[in-house]
Amino acid sequence: SYDLTQPPSVSVSPGQTATITCSGDGLPKQYVHWYQQKPGQAPLLVIYKDTERPSGIPERFSGSSSGTTVTLTISGVQAEDEADYFCQSTDFGGTYPYVFGTGTKVTVL
Amino acid sequence: QVQLVQSGAEVKQPGASVKVSCKASGYAFTTYSMRWVRQAPGQRLEWMGWINTDNGNTKYSQKFQGRVTITRDTFASTVHVELSSLTSEDTAIYYCARDSSGLYGDSFDFWGQGTMVTVSS
Repeated sequence: SYDLTQPPSVSVSPGQTATITCSGDGLPKQYVHWYQQKPGQAPLLVIYKDTERPSGIPERFSGSSSGTTVTLTISGVQAEDEADYFCQSTDFGGTYPYVFGTGTKVTVL
Repeated sequence: QVQLVQSGAEVKQPGASVKVSCKASGYAFTTYSMRWVRQAPGQRLEWMGWINTDNGNTKYSQKFQGRVTITRDTFASTVHVELSSLTSEDTAIYYCARDSSGLYGDSFDFWGQGTMVTVSS
């Protein structure tokens, strides 16, 4: 199995851009999905397959991929975007078929 | 709309078992598999296992093999996870999450609200 590493926290002012990275040795071969989790709520899928956005997710959420790093970008951050964000990928040949990132707390200043 | 509603918080003694439920609504229950993950305090999420809600086939993480059982009740559109021989290390929030079945890659497209399980004497 491989680990997915994220920065513990990101702080951003309203209207600015937040970028959250997810790094792992297995990533060039596997897609990454991103989830938003607010306190006391169920996680919400915001980006799937590195760059795709599920219906109903605002356009300000986008994803990109380069080598062993995948990035979630929130453009024009709003107060409601303050949450934990975690990435997830697959490793069917490893100990766990599904691997998760360490999580990033996004704080809107 | 799709909803996964889990049972309430549990407090168990070491050595006991716990059973957490997840009731699905808003979609055809047997069309999507269900996965269970957990998150211990300060730790990342950890996959426990999944169940094919149509035929009942299961697959479990090696870490929990022998201690975990996932079942489903198709009439009640409910999935259960039972974990036995609990220790303090099993204190965690337990989540059910729907397998998107390729609709959104290998992602978990809908999640339950989580169930806190505390193991303490």
